[in-house]
Amino acid sequence: GESVGLHLPTLSVQEGDNSIINCAYSNSASDYFIWYKQESGKGPQFIIDIRSNMDKRQGQRVTVLLNKTVKHLSLQIAATQPGDSAVYFCAESTVTNAGKSTFGDGTTLTVKP
Amino acid sequence: KAGVTQTPRYLIKTRGQQVTLSCSPISGHRSVSWYQQTPGQGLQFLFEYFSETQRNKGNFPGRFSGRQFSNSRSEMNVSTLELGDSALYLCASSLVGSYEQYFGPGTRLTVT
Repeated sequence: GESVGLHLPTLSVQEGDNSIINCAYSNSASDYFIWYKQESGKGPQFIIDIRSNMDKRQGQRVTVLLNKTVKHLSLQIAATQPGDSAVYFCAESTVTNAGKSTFGDGTTLTVKP
Repeated sequence: KAGVTQTPRYLIKTRGQQVTLSCSPISGHRSVSWYQQTPGQGLQFLFEYFSETQRNKGNFPGRFSGRQFSNSRSEMNVSTLELGDSALYLCASSLVGSYEQYFGPGTRLTVT
């Protein structure tokens, strides 16, 4: 149930497995990268962020990896649960235009019980 | 603390009409941004307001406009509606200078 490197519009995993969601970004001048989770009928919800001078950041059950060489971002979710089922978006922003985020294509994560 | 609220939640309009959407940010958040979400184009930035001034504008035609009031509440207006304007319009608020945005549930606009 894992995918490394390639952005997939959909990802299906078994409950308890680890999930990896990938994203390619376009602006090498971006200062921050953010992952959002959007559940059905709701707006995007902030999950975790990473500054451009970092390679890795960990949160609760989530880890974000940043590879600036190939402009790639990934979100790893450990022990995926049914409540993790949602659409996940990466976004990039700059210090000078913090209120303007550029969103990538979403990945729909489905967790099978 | 109450989240971002948007009104109305659903709206059906006819081509050629105009529409106004409203957004109330989280208390203390003075920056408000608007995004359009469609299945084909994803989430696209419309504009950002701070201190009643437009700070950034996305690549949308002049039919799309917005404003912000002194209490940080914001409205966006779309004039001469087209079928392609059917979308979920999302409002996000943040502290000034913060990239961490808090989104409302959106207004679902359908143009027939």
